[in-house]
Amino acid sequence: SQQGEEDPQALSIQEGENATMNCSYKTSINNLQWYRQNSGRGLVHLILIRSNEREKHSGRLRVTLDTSKKSSSLLITASRAADTASYFCATPLKVDAGKSTFGDGTTLTVKP
Amino acid sequence: NAGVTQTPKFQVLKTGQSMTLQCAQDMNHNSMYWYRQDPGMGLRLIYYSASEGTTDKGEVPNGYNVSRLNKREFSLRLESAAPSQTSVYFCASTMGRGGYEQYFGPGTRLTVT
Repeated sequence: SQQGEEDPQALSIQEGENATMNCSYKTSINNLQWYRQNSGRGLVHLILIRSNEREKHSGRLRVTLDTSKKSSSLLITASRAADTASYFCATPLKVDAGKSTFGDGTTLTVKP
Repeated sequence: NAGVTQTPKFQVLKTGQSMTLQCAQDMNHNSMYWYRQDPGMGLRLIYYSASEGTTDKGEVPNGYNVSRLNKREFSLRLESAAPSQTSVYFCASTMGRGGYEQYFGPGTRLTVT
């Protein structure tokens, strides 16, 4: 079964608005990663947050991590049409750090 | 640097045929992975190799075999293809086990009829 699950499954917003997507996971982790996938392409790493961090920023991206609730959120501020993509969270399993599991993703559509 | 490369980009097989998907990375990474992605879904791990000479099963290994030929190359073999193996296959690599960002190849789109 998958470790991480994203919510919502799909999100449609206007350019300039903020987009928030969430990830919940089941077992303890040492870090959580977010990836973006443009249609027909491979995944691209966006940001990594470690279990001892609560918030991390990278440009227009803001990621939070709440280990007590086993959840993370990705906020994209001032969205652009180019942000249209699917977004996945990935969690390396602590018991076997060689394996990461991915959720089914949130499909974000940003309308110009 | 080319990053992670995969061949072929597209392939159509008949049920029962065999084929090997090739993956190579030029980043001197230790760990390599094979995933499959079905429409509208996330990635599921088929096999991974934590280091040269080692391979381990992932979530969905049945029907597949892998070879870590050297540090650069990690191949995935379908011995007898089935329609259920129609999917997009991604290879990825990372510096070490977990905790590091994974770099993905462009994918191989496989259709089994």
